[in-house]
Amino acid sequence: KQEVTQIPAALSVPEGENLVLNCSFTDSAIYNLQWFRQDPGKGLTSLLLIQSSQREQTSGRLNASLDKSSGRSTLYIAASQPGDSATYLCAVRVGGQNFVFGPGTRLSVLP
Amino acid sequence: DVKVTQSSRYLVKRTGEKVFLECVQDMDHENMFWYRQDPGLGLRLIYFSYDVKMKEKGDIPEGYSVSREKKERFSLILESASTNQTSMYLCASSPATGPNLNSPLHFGNGTRLTVT
Repeated sequence: KQEVTQIPAALSVPEGENLVLNCSFTDSAIYNLQWFRQDPGKGLTSLLLIQSSQREQTSGRLNASLDKSSGRSTLYIAASQPGDSATYLCAVRVGGQNFVFGPGTRLSVLP
Repeated sequence: DVKVTQSSRYLVKRTGEKVFLECVQDMDHENMFWYRQDPGLGLRLIYFSYDVKMKEKGDIPEGYSVSREKKERFSLILESASTNQTSMYLCASSPATGPNLNSPLHFGNGTRLTVT
């Protein structure tokens, strides 16, 4: 059974720092991996999707990498801002309608 | 941009009431999902639908039912609300399998349901 973990559970950094969030999954048989952002009391906003055949995807200050063989993905946030404060979740797609989510990393960027 | 709209942001209902949560997507997606999210338990799948009138149980279907009469609309029904159904409910949609298997999963803004 696929399991997804995220470390750390919470992270606090000063504004301007570059940071890395980690996502690990136990079974490499995935179609893709998606990173989401969730603000308090809101739904999930899609940030990046990496297909299983890809190594990385970039969007603005965000860069996500995927190492399927080792079951790991990282989300790199450059020059962090207070507006980046949110919970970040990763999810792997293991079937047509089957997604497995990690528990999330709560990020606080301090002014 | 894909838009998934949940009809209510906040709902307060009484124990025993029948509750309807509505979700509409505007991208002609075949798949639609209902999740609930609770602190420490993450996202758990309640039901999903892969076509009109088709539905499949997820991990925690007890106490819930769903309806999909039109492709764009997926409703979650709590037949008799209980306090342990107080939660954040999230609707999502995605295209079907095949060439679109690598399209993103899109979420609505969530409905915070409180049952008293």
